[in-house]
Amino acid sequence: GNSVTQMEGPVTLSEEAFLTINCTYTATGYPSLFWYVQYPGEGLQLLLKATKADDKGSNKGFEATYRKETTSFHLEKGSVQVSDSAVYFCALSDLGAGNTPLVFGKGTRLSVIA
Amino acid sequence: DGGITQSPKYLFRKEGQNVTLSCEQNLNHDAMYWYRQDPGQGLRLIYYSQIVNDFQKGDIAEGYSVSREKKESFPLTVTSAQKNPTAFYLCASSVQRQGADEQFFGPGTRLTVL
Repeated sequence: GNSVTQMEGPVTLSEEAFLTINCTYTATGYPSLFWYVQYPGEGLQLLLKATKADDKGSNKGFEATYRKETTSFHLEKGSVQVSDSAVYFCALSDLGAGNTPLVFGKGTRLSVIA
Repeated sequence: DGGITQSPKYLFRKEGQNVTLSCEQNLNHDAMYWYRQDPGQGLRLIYYSQIVNDFQKGDIAEGYSVSREKKESFPLTVTSAQKNPTAFYLCASSVQRQGADEQFFGPGTRLTVL
């Protein structure tokens, strides 16, 4: 079956540091890949997505590239801010299946200190 | 503004009582989902519904029930059979369209059993 594995947190960085959160997946087909962000006490917000190999999703300075050869979708940001402190979830869905539930990783908590 | 609303934000119940969590969306989405979130465990799927009057069990459906009488609404009942109901509950929805896989989340309801 499909699955997502994320690096375990928590991750603590100083402001302006480079961020990488690793995500690898297992899928039988050709999934779409997502990164969601959850701020304290809130629901999840879509951060970025990619629907096919070599696609790069980007938003708010975050980027992730869909790597089929390594089955990875690592999240990166060049310079983090205190406001980026949150829990980040990697997720996948079966491309084209429509309305099937997403498969989520366990989440990685990021804390950015000034 | 379109979106997903969940109410209440905080809910307390005594052991042995059933409680119903509300989820409403005005996005005209066909599919709706319920997830449970516990610390360090990510999101686990409880139930989902792809069309009105139909729903499927997710990974942890025992002790929960749902209904989908209207497209806009997908209430979740936590029954007394759920042994450990204290958790953060998230509702989500998605549109019925091939290739449109992302889910939109509500702000969540935190349930505490006293």
